[in-house]
Amino acid sequence: EAGVAQSPRYKIIEKRQSVAFWCNPISGHATLYWYQQILGQGPKLLIQFQNNGVVDDSQLPKDRFSAERLKGVDSTLKIQPAKLEDSAVYLCASLDRENNVNTIYFGEGSWLTVV
Amino acid sequence: AQTVTQSQPEMSVQEAETVTLSCTYDTSESNYYLFWYKQPPSRQMILVIRQEAYKQQNATENRFSVNFQKAAKSFSLKISDSQLGDTAMYFCAFIIGGSQGNLIFGKGTKLSVKP
Repeated sequence: EAGVAQSPRYKIIEKRQSVAFWCNPISGHATLYWYQQILGQGPKLLIQFQNNGVVDDSQLPKDRFSAERLKGVDSTLKIQPAKLEDSAVYLCASLDRENNVNTIYFGEGSWLTVV
Repeated sequence: AQTVTQSQPEMSVQEAETVTLSCTYDTSESNYYLFWYKQPPSRQMILVIRQEAYKQQNATENRFSVNFQKAAKSFSLKISDSQLGDTAMYFCAFIIGGSQGNLIFGKGTKLSVKP
């Protein structure tokens, strides 16, 4: 079974530029998450989708971050314009509810450096 | 509020010895799942072990086992026969049951296995 796919793995941009990250969850997983992990900290939820609807985006800085999951499968997270403090790893994950038991699986992450 | 506390920012252990990482959590929910994730320098979040809150039996996964004390809201991870490849950040996390929850993470424990 294929895991959660993310791209690009690494991105370096200048402040005020834009960047987009893509995620394809494990096949059949309805719930998808984007987390931001700043170095030395635990992951912080940015947005949670169930199918193509947003469940929780309370911690998404909406003045610069946006995310969509138009067809309920893959998702894109965009940052525009980027700030230095956006330097982090962006982790995509999806929820497995086989037999009604919850497990979350993560992709390899997308490293962003803003200079 | 739902929180996870990992009181040990860093730990070290000699190769082949046993080490225990501590975690406490707080939730008013009765249906939830607990996890330990390993994050090596590559920053991918790798599932180590999962515990269903409704199960009294402690989960085990090869050299990894947990001590789940539901009344005390404690969920520690024991690593036996530590190997150099176990060196990583370890995050304790939980998610409530159903399809709407998201992972609540602790701040992590940095484990170093010394030869």
